[in-house]
Amino acid sequence: GNSVTQMEGPVTLSEEAFLTINCTYTATGYPSLFWYVQYPGEGLQLLLKATKADDKGSNKGFEATYRKETTSFHLEKGSVQVSDSAVYFCARTSGTYKYIFGTGTRLKVLA
Amino acid sequence: EADIYQTPRYLVIGTGKKITLECSQTMGHDKMYWYQQDPGMELHLIHYSYGVNSTEKGDLSSESTVSRIRTEHFPLTLESARPSHTSQYLCASSGQGWTEAFFGQGTRLTVV
Repeated sequence: GNSVTQMEGPVTLSEEAFLTINCTYTATGYPSLFWYVQYPGEGLQLLLKATKADDKGSNKGFEATYRKETTSFHLEKGSVQVSDSAVYFCARTSGTYKYIFGTGTRLKVLA
Repeated sequence: EADIYQTPRYLVIGTGKKITLECSQTMGHDKMYWYQQDPGMELHLIHYSYGVNSTEKGDLSSESTVSRIRTEHFPLTLESARPSHTSQYLCASSGQGWTEAFFGQGTRLTVV
């Protein structure tokens, strides 16, 4: 089927720790892939994107690489900050009009 | 910075009332979406539109209705609000091709 699976949270890290949030997808074809971030009480904001295999999206120290062979788009950051505490959603395009979102991973960074 | 706006941000309303949640975007996007977000964070697509005068039901059945009379405007209406409608509602839009969706800040609806 067509889906997005991301690791369940919550993920709790100390400040300056390394972050990985796993995301895998199933798809027929080559969707565009996205990571969104949602801060409390807000809508989703695009964090980064990749539109074809081997593309690396990056923004604000976060990175993710579109891996067609493993159908993955894992989110990484080398050194998290307290301000990175939020919910992170992996997503992919579906057909011409839709998006499929993962269930979200809550990240809590402790000072 | 995305130019998509939702009003109101917060709404507390009594059972049986009719409400309209507003969503407007100034980016000229043809596609617009309404998502319902439960407390467990998961997003559920309830309506979408790929242009003026086109609306489609999403993956999650909803008692709400939508209209798309103008490109920039995609309001959602509940004819008779119930406590089960209490949720966060997120509006989004996207342009041509495999572009990202831009989200509004959401409307937190509470029906008492």
